[in-house]
Amino acid sequence: NAGVTQTPKFQVLKTGQSMTLQCAQDMNHEYMSWYRQDPGMGLRLIHYSVGAGITDQGEVPNGYNVSRSTTEDFPLRLLSAAPSQTSVYFCASSYYGGAAGELFFGEGSRLTVL
Amino acid sequence: GQQVMQIPQYQHVQEGEDFTTYCNSSTTLSNIQWYKQRPGGHPVFLIQLVKSGEVKKQKRLTFQFGEAKKNSSLHITATQTTDVGTYFCALGGSNDYKLSFGAGTTVTVRA
Repeated sequence: NAGVTQTPKFQVLKTGQSMTLQCAQDMNHEYMSWYRQDPGMGLRLIHYSVGAGITDQGEVPNGYNVSRSTTEDFPLRLLSAAPSQTSVYFCASSYYGGAAGELFFGEGSRLTVL
Repeated sequence: GQQVMQIPQYQHVQEGEDFTTYCNSSTTLSNIQWYKQRPGGHPVFLIQLVKSGEVKKQKRLTFQFGEAKKNSSLHITATQTTDVGTYFCALGGSNDYKLSFGAGTTVTVRA
């Protein structure tokens, strides 16, 4: 049981490049979410999903796209990277909604945009 | 999103001492969760509080939910070096799917 797996762990991009952060969970959780963590700002919700085919915006969705074609996977896409997107990204999943039960986090993906 | 204030931002503690970190919300909460993140690690769930005035203990950690369900506290007794890390509160409001995190209290311990 691997839990929540994120790839890559580290990535450096140039401004304007695109990339996808991968997230997979093997706990059969319906709820999945993406957070970004910046110094002094805690974790901010980017997008979340309550099941396959259903996604919604969080606090800071601009510049990011998501899709949920399967229960297991919830990729986060940066269409045109900007320096302001330099951050640590965490994927998290839960049996229930994010506020209704324990969130299980992946180990994080550290992204630097030059 | 919900406004959540966590104080203090930094806590420097002598090993063996007690300390408390606080989490305050501008709105009434359905529940509150606490997470711990070790340096370089990912957040790990500690506990969830649901009832007004609820108090829960985990060994040296005591969690409390305010009577008005607008604030919470985490008290650690006899701090150890293993307590180093950042403690986040996370608030659940009217939308069960959105969990709002505080900025965290970063704890360092002097041996």
